Amino acid sequence: AQRVTQPEKLLSVFKGAPVELKCNYSYSGSPELFWYVQYSRQRLQLLLRHISRESIKGFTADLNKGETSFHLKKPFAQEEDSAMYYCALSPTGANSKLTFGKGITLSVRP
Amino acid sequence: GAGVSQSPRYKVAKRGQDVALRCDPISGHVSLFWYQQALGQGPEFLTYFQNEAQLDKSGLPSDRFFAERPEGSVSTLKIQRTQQEDSAVYLCASSLRWTDAEQYFGPGTRLTVT
Repeated sequence: AQRVTQPEKLLSVFKGAPVELKCNYSYSGSPELFWYVQYSRQRLQLLLRHISRESIKGFTADLNKGETSFHLKKPFAQEEDSAMYYCALSPTGANSKLTFGKGITLSVRP
Repeated sequence: GAGVSQSPRYKVAKRGQDVALRCDPISGHVSLFWYQQALGQGPEFLTYFQNEAQLDKSGLPSDRFFAERPEGSVSTLKIQRTQQEDSAVYLCASSLRWTDAEQYFGPGTRLTVT
C-alpha cells in the first residue's frame, strides 16, 4: 500500500524566512512525487513534480529515495506563498491515481 | 480554454436522498478521476476512467457510490441514500493521457448531508 505523510499541519513564518514543508512516503515500487497547492478560494493546482526538476515560484523539491522523502523548500518566503500545500504520490507506469498527504497550511506573515 | 468544471458547486441533501454530481473535464482529456476530500484531510481517490471505461473503482467507499462516463467526456458521480459521513468536497480531475500524472482539478462540489 502507498502512503504519504505530512507530519505538520501548520507552518507560520515571517516574510523572507526560509521554508521547508516536509513529506515522507512509503511505496514498494518507484513512485512519482508531486506537490500540489491550493490558494485561498482557488482550485487545487500542480506546483511541481520531481521528474521535471524545475524550480517553480522559487520552490524546489528533491526526491530522496534513501529517506523516502520529498521535502518542499524555498529560501525566502513571500506573503503570496500563503496557501495549503499537499504532497502526492503516483505509481510510475500505472493509471496515475494520486495518493495525497493531509496537507499543510503555510502562513507567511508580513 | 476552459478548465475542469463541476456542478453543482454546493449541494445540501437530507439523509437518505440520492444526489448526482457532474464533472466536465478539459476537452480531449482521456483520463478522469474522482476524489473525496473530507474536512481537514487530503483528497482520497474514488474512481478512474480512461475514456468511457471505468478502469479502477477501488476507492468507492460503498455500493451506494456509482460513477459513469458514458461517452468518454462528461462524468457523473451518483450517491444513493446519502449518509452524514458522505459530507465532503468531491473533486474531479482530468489528464491528457492515461500515463500523464499531471492532473487538472475542478473547483469541487461541497456536499452537506443533514
